[in-house]
Amino acid sequence: QVQLVQSGSELKKPGASVKVSCKASGYTFTTYSMNWVRQAPGQGLEWMGWINTNTGNPTYAQGFTGRFVFSLDTSVSTAYLQISSLKAEDTAVYYCARRYCSGGSCYSEPWGQGTLVTVSS
Amino acid sequence: QSVLTQPPSVSAAPGQKVTISCSGTSSNIGNSYVSWYQQLPGTAPKLLIYENNKRPSGIPDRFSGSKSGTSATLGITGLQTGDEADYHCGTWDSSLSAVVFGGGTKLTVL
Repeated sequence: QVQLVQSGSELKKPGASVKVSCKASGYTFTTYSMNWVRQAPGQGLEWMGWINTNTGNPTYAQGFTGRFVFSLDTSVSTAYLQISSLKAEDTAVYYCARRYCSGGSCYSEPWGQGTLVTVSS
Repeated sequence: QSVLTQPPSVSAAPGQKVTISCSGTSSNIGNSYVSWYQQLPGTAPKLLIYENNKRPSGIPDRFSGSKSGTSATLGITGLQTGDEADYHCGTWDSSLSAVVFGGGTKLTVL
């Protein structure tokens, strides 16, 4: 079945970097783009952007430029989110979600299980 | 501050029906398909409704979606305690060139 499995929780100090992985299985990885979504504690979902898994071209949402980088390793069907110069406000659960598009309609399905990134000194 | 507006919470008794609203503008809901996601406590979101009113396989017909103008609605009938979750609406915003979500609605089944 189609599945996204993310790397485990991370505890980082302010100023450090973190790299979250999202391994896809059950479908051809390069057929669908990958969304990244942030959920801060007790908050709603916030779209960070997506990466075209065929071309490697990333698209970043407003507020997620500069310190956030999407990348791929298509040989292992894995997408990555790297965040540098971490701040306390980056503490959140980060989700990858396949961007499924058909006939002009796009939605996120399935979602990874989420990766909790905690930034604390 | 989310682009789409949802009520923070709704509640109803087991067996009853509840609706959750999602309000937007002509640049998002008024111009694009709406999807709904169910997020059970401590878990990742899961697709519940896509293209305004379609259910993925495995989603019971107790869940329904509709859209009118710049608003969308999720309906749940025959409420069960297992339906307690956060529900999020999402769509594409052509002005922002971004996927946008509502702030989420917490459903309590009393």
